[in-house]
Amino acid sequence: DGGITQSPKYLFRKEGQNVTLSCEQNLNHDAMYWYRQDPGQGLRLIYYSQIVNDFQKGDIAEGYSVSREKKESFPLTVTSAQKNPTAFYLCASTQANYGYTFGSGTRLTVV
Amino acid sequence: GQQVMQIPQYQHVQEGEDFTTYCNSSTTLSNIQWYKQRPGGHPVFLIQLVKSGEVKKQKRLTFQFGEAKKNSSLHITATQTTDVGTYFCAGPYAGGTSYGKLTFGQGTILTVHP
Repeated sequence: DGGITQSPKYLFRKEGQNVTLSCEQNLNHDAMYWYRQDPGQGLRLIYYSQIVNDFQKGDIAEGYSVSREKKESFPLTVTSAQKNPTAFYLCASTQANYGYTFGSGTRLTVV
Repeated sequence: GQQVMQIPQYQHVQEGEDFTTYCNSSTTLSNIQWYKQRPGGHPVFLIQLVKSGEVKKQKRLTFQFGEAKKNSSLHITATQTTDVGTYFCAGPYAGGTSYGKLTFGQGTILTVHP
């Protein structure tokens, strides 16, 4: 079945450490997105990409970086510059501006 | 910037009661989407409304898009315990080409007591 795979499911980051969250899709979707979800809040856009080798900052891009070297993959790096990284991270994709397909998410905790 | 507001933030109902969540945008929307997120899960796309005044039904769920395309509602008839979760509305970013970017409301958390 087609879908989006995010890994790992849980991730623990030490202070000053960079970590990378994986997002892979086999839906052949052009557009991919990273959202952050904090308890009791909606989803906030971190980065998005419409095509390979191109990506744009969302509303809360500071402290994050991405790459889009392949259509299927859109990894997110949470850098040490992100001061409050503990959150639930969701990767999504879509085609033709229709409904998103989300991955199962990665829960990141700072230890 | 564009805001999408949802009310109520929380709703507790007895099984069998009806439930409604409301979504209001600060700008006119080309479409509105609704998602459901089960506890501990990820959002799942339910439906997209495009036309002014549009009403769509999915079994016990009824979705409406306002005439001015700035508000929407989701109504669940006779709730069941399987309806538990957070319901989000989302609209395309305002201004220029949205590139499929969505602004999400804060969500309504529904709990159903058996």
